[in-house]
Amino acid sequence: KNQVEQSPQSLIILEGKNCTLQCNYTVSPFSNLRWYKQDTGRGPVSLTIMTFSENTKSNGRYTATLDADTKQSSLHITASQLSDSASYICVVSAYQAGTALIFGKGTTLSVSS
Amino acid sequence: DTAVSQTPKYLVTQMGNDKSIKCEQNLGHDTMYWYKQDSKKFLKIMFSYNNKELIINETVPNRFSPKSPDKAHLNLHINSLELGDSAVYFCASSRGRSAGVEEETQYFGPGTRLLVL
Repeated sequence: KNQVEQSPQSLIILEGKNCTLQCNYTVSPFSNLRWYKQDTGRGPVSLTIMTFSENTKSNGRYTATLDADTKQSSLHITASQLSDSASYICVVSAYQAGTALIFGKGTTLSVSS
Repeated sequence: DTAVSQTPKYLVTQMGNDKSIKCEQNLGHDTMYWYKQDSKKFLKIMFSYNNKELIINETVPNRFSPKSPDKAHLNLHINSLELGDSAVYFCASSRGRSAGVEEETQYFGPGTRLLVL
């Protein structure tokens, strides 16, 4: 069964600290993995998208990694800011005749001063 | 300029009514989507259209009917609204598939908050 599991479910960190969010998936055949940031009351915004051959991709202070062998991905946030407080959603796409997108339930990050 | 826009932003209605949500994208994208986000913030894809043709139709009640008059618009019509339809509905678009590999970033609209009383 295609699934995407994210951990932790929620996380509270102090401003300026780093943090890492995890995403494990059992999606086959794998096409790509995306990380989205969703601010409260807004639509998700894409942070990174990685295919099978990519191990790491950065977008400013956000760095995503992908290990296609262990089917794990992480999103590392460096020097967190208050504006990083949001939900972070991992989405895995599977090759199919139609587009199959499997969503994780997200990690809610709260950055406090 | 708003890339993906939805109207209305808020929709409060009675059970049993029929309502529509409109979505427009000005990005020149070929593929558009409708998602439902429930109270637990879990996003689920409902429909996907590519060049006005349906390519995904997840298990949603047939009370939900998407309509794409052109590739810049994907509207969602809901018949006989039920309490469980209360959620936030997001429209999104992407460039679409190329060379058989979908590596496309999706751009989401601001969402329509539907409350069924």
